[in-house]
Amino acid sequence: SQQGEEDPQALSIQEGENATMNCSYKTSINNLQWYRQNSGRGLVHLILIRSNEREKHSGRLRVTLDTSKKSSSLLITASRAADTASYFCATAVISGTYKYIFGTGTRLKVLA
Amino acid sequence: DADVTQTPRNRITKTGKRIMLECSQTKGHDRMYWYRQDPGLGLRLIYYSFDVKDINKGEISDGYSVSRQAQAKFSLSLESAIPNQTALYFCATSGTTTGQPQHFGDGTRLSIL
Repeated sequence: SQQGEEDPQALSIQEGENATMNCSYKTSINNLQWYRQNSGRGLVHLILIRSNEREKHSGRLRVTLDTSKKSSSLLITASRAADTASYFCATAVISGTYKYIFGTGTRLKVLA
Repeated sequence: DADVTQTPRNRITKTGKRIMLECSQTKGHDRMYWYRQDPGLGLRLIYYSFDVKDINKGEISDGYSVSRQAQAKFSLSLESAIPNQTALYFCATSGTTTGQPQHFGDGTRLSIL
């Protein structure tokens, strides 16, 4: 089963508003990453937060991580039409070997 | 030029055919991955390779095989394609430190009739 699940599945907002999407996971992680996917394109890495970090910022992006609740949130402030895309969380799972497990994604639509 | 290049970008084929999807990268990464994306299911890992001599199955490897021809090249084969393998396929690379970000190609849209 999927490690990460995003909520909501779809989100529609007006340009200039903030967009918040959430990710829940099931097991201990090394880090959690957020990716963006524009229609018809590959995923692009946005931000990484390690398991010992609680909050991280990058430009208009703010990510939080709560390991006790096994959840993370991605906030996009002052959204733009160009932010329209699908957003995925991916967990790097602690184990003897690598494993990234991707969530099912949130489809964000920013209306101009 | 793209760092991770997948060919072909689109492919339509018939049930039972053998298909090869190719991936090449210029990032110099040792680790390469093949994923499949289906609507509502996110990305699922098919195979991954940590170097030329190291190949590992992912969560959905049945019906697929891979070949790591060189550090820069990792190909995915469907020996006898079936319709439920219709999906979007992505190749990705990453550095050697555990948990580093992955770099994706633009995908191959595969339709099996």
